[in-house]
Amino acid sequence: EDQVTQSPEALRLQEGESSSLNCSYTVSGLRGLFWYRQDPGKGPEFLFTLYSAGEEKEKERLKATLTKKESFLHITAPKPEDSATYLCAGGYNKLIFGAGTRLAVHP
Amino acid sequence: NAGVTQTPKFRVLKTGQSMTLLCAQDMNHEYMYWYRQDPGMGLRLIHYSVGEGTTAKGEVPDGYNVSRLKKQNFLLGLESAAPSQTSVYFCASRAGQGRGSIQYFGAGTRLSVL
Repeated sequence: EDQVTQSPEALRLQEGESSSLNCSYTVSGLRGLFWYRQDPGKGPEFLFTLYSAGEEKEKERLKATLTKKESFLHITAPKPEDSATYLCAGGYNKLIFGAGTRLAVHP
Repeated sequence: NAGVTQTPKFRVLKTGQSMTLLCAQDMNHEYMYWYRQDPGMGLRLIHYSVGEGTTAKGEVPDGYNVSRLKKQNFLLGLESAAPSQTSVYFCASRAGQGRGSIQYFGAGTRLSVL
């Protein structure tokens, strides 16, 4: 059965305290691993797509990496404005989403 | 630069009432999707469309119907609403084949069924 599992469910960080979010997946026919950011009351906003093991992508304080079974979203020196729910999804024509990690960054 | 627009933004229904949610995209995308999002759960696919005039079932299609009469619009219908359909509904669209093709989401419709 196709499945995407994210951990932790919630994460509280102090401003500047780096950490990583995990996404493990078992998705048949996976052709892409997607990361989205979702702010309260809004729709998901695209961050990254990763296609093959070993691939890495960066955007400001965020870096996404991919292995054959997992993806990590590394957050370096986070700021309060990085507070959001981060969603991971696998698939291609149809995406299977994880439940998300709620990140709170406090000053 | 509208992107994906969902109407209405909020709605309250009584059990048994019907309604239609509208999704409109101005990016000439081939693929369109309807998801529901419930607390503690990921986005779950209800129905999707790979082009004008086509529809297909997703993971949780029961109790919903869809239509894609025009390429830019994707309608989600609830014929007889139930409290279990209280949720936040998101529409998304995608250009089509190719590695650069990603799903873009609307702002959501918050539906309560009493």
